[in-house]
Amino acid sequence: KQEVTQIPAALSVPEGENLVLNCSFTDSAIYNLQWFRQDPGKGLTSLLLIQSSQREQTSGRLNASLDKSSGRSTLYIAASQPGDSATYLCAVLGYQKVTFGTGTKLQVIP
Amino acid sequence: DGGITQSPKYLFRKEGQNVTLSCEQNLNHDAMYWYRQDPGQGLRLIYYSQIVNDFQKGDIAEGYSVSREKKESFPLTVTSAQKNPTAFYLCASSIGLSNEQYFGPGTRLTVT
Repeated sequence: KQEVTQIPAALSVPEGENLVLNCSFTDSAIYNLQWFRQDPGKGLTSLLLIQSSQREQTSGRLNASLDKSSGRSTLYIAASQPGDSATYLCAVLGYQKVTFGTGTKLQVIP
Repeated sequence: DGGITQSPKYLFRKEGQNVTLSCEQNLNHDAMYWYRQDPGQGLRLIYYSQIVNDFQKGDIAEGYSVSREKKESFPLTVTSAQKNPTAFYLCASSIGLSNEQYFGPGTRLTVT
């Protein structure tokens, strides 16, 4: 059974800092890994999708990496802004199965 | 605009009543999903559908039912058998299973 862990559960950083969010999974037989952002009371917004054959994906200030052999993905946020404050979730997309982590709640302090 | 709509945003029901949550997508996606989100527990899969007229139970299907009569629509009924129905419900769709998922804005259901 796939298990997905996100550590830390919460993170508070000053504005402008670069930061890394972690996502670990137990079964390396995955198709894709997807990172989301969720604002309070809202749905999930897709940030990046990494296919199993890829090592990383970039979108603006965001960079996500994937290491299947070690069961890890990281989301790097450069030059953090207060508007980046949200909960970030990773989802592991396997064969007919999606498993979500419990998220990291990020607060960027002005 | 292409996307997923869920209605209503907030829903209140008395205990013992069935309630149906709406989910519509115009992305031409084959796969659709229903998740439940509770504080501190992340998202848990209730039901998913790979194609019209077919759906499968997820991890927590007890007390819920779905239908998939049209490609665009995947309504979820929360029955009176669901012991703890108060939660935030999210609908999602994707081109196929294991592909990139797109989410609706969610429906917050409160049962008293």
